[in-house]
Amino acid sequence: DAGVTQSPTHLIKTRGQQVTLRCSPKSGHDTVSWYQQALGQGPQFIFQYYEEEERQRGNFPDRFSGHQFPNYSSELNVNALLLGDSALYLCASSNTRVVSPQHFGDGTRLSIL
Amino acid sequence: KNEVEQSPQNLTAQEGEFITINCSYSVGISALHWLQQHPGGGIVSLFMLSSGKKKHGRLIATINIQEKHSSLHITASHPRDSAVYICAVSGNTDKLIFGTGTRLQVFP
Repeated sequence: DAGVTQSPTHLIKTRGQQVTLRCSPKSGHDTVSWYQQALGQGPQFIFQYYEEEERQRGNFPDRFSGHQFPNYSSELNVNALLLGDSALYLCASSNTRVVSPQHFGDGTRLSIL
Repeated sequence: KNEVEQSPQNLTAQEGEFITINCSYSVGISALHWLQQHPGGGIVSLFMLSSGKKKHGRLIATINIQEKHSSLHITASHPRDSAVYICAVSGNTDKLIFGTGTRLQVFP
């Protein structure tokens, strides 16, 4: 049973570019949350998707957008990349009907030059 | 002030020592989480608790709801316990609010 998978594992972009990160949730999970973790910091909540809609959003600008597909997989898009967007982007999945911890992927490390 | 505060930020120990990491929070919660993050980045959930105490192997987590405080204890620490330990809280939804983590190094 595969856990949460994220792709790519590493990515290098330049300022102003756009990036798409992908996440496949653990089997049986229907909710996907995205977090940004800057170096030496704890993760910060970006947004959460359930039933293909954004259910909650953290304090991130509109440059950060997402999508959830009918198979529950999700994408995180970031436009007009800034140097400060360099971070580890983590995806976590859960089942909205079950009270249990979220399962995390290994993350995508995004570097902006 | 951060909603979730952890201490210490860094911790070194000799193999076999008893370790305690503390977490305080300032918001209402439905659950508190302890997670472990290894250098590769992946995060593993260790405990999710809303009251009392939980134990898993050499790990023990406690929470005091009235004092808004939790502790993670590691008994008989081992070098393989070296990692970043993160405290997080959740409310009515899955959204997690994280502390900044405690970097633990256990030396043989």
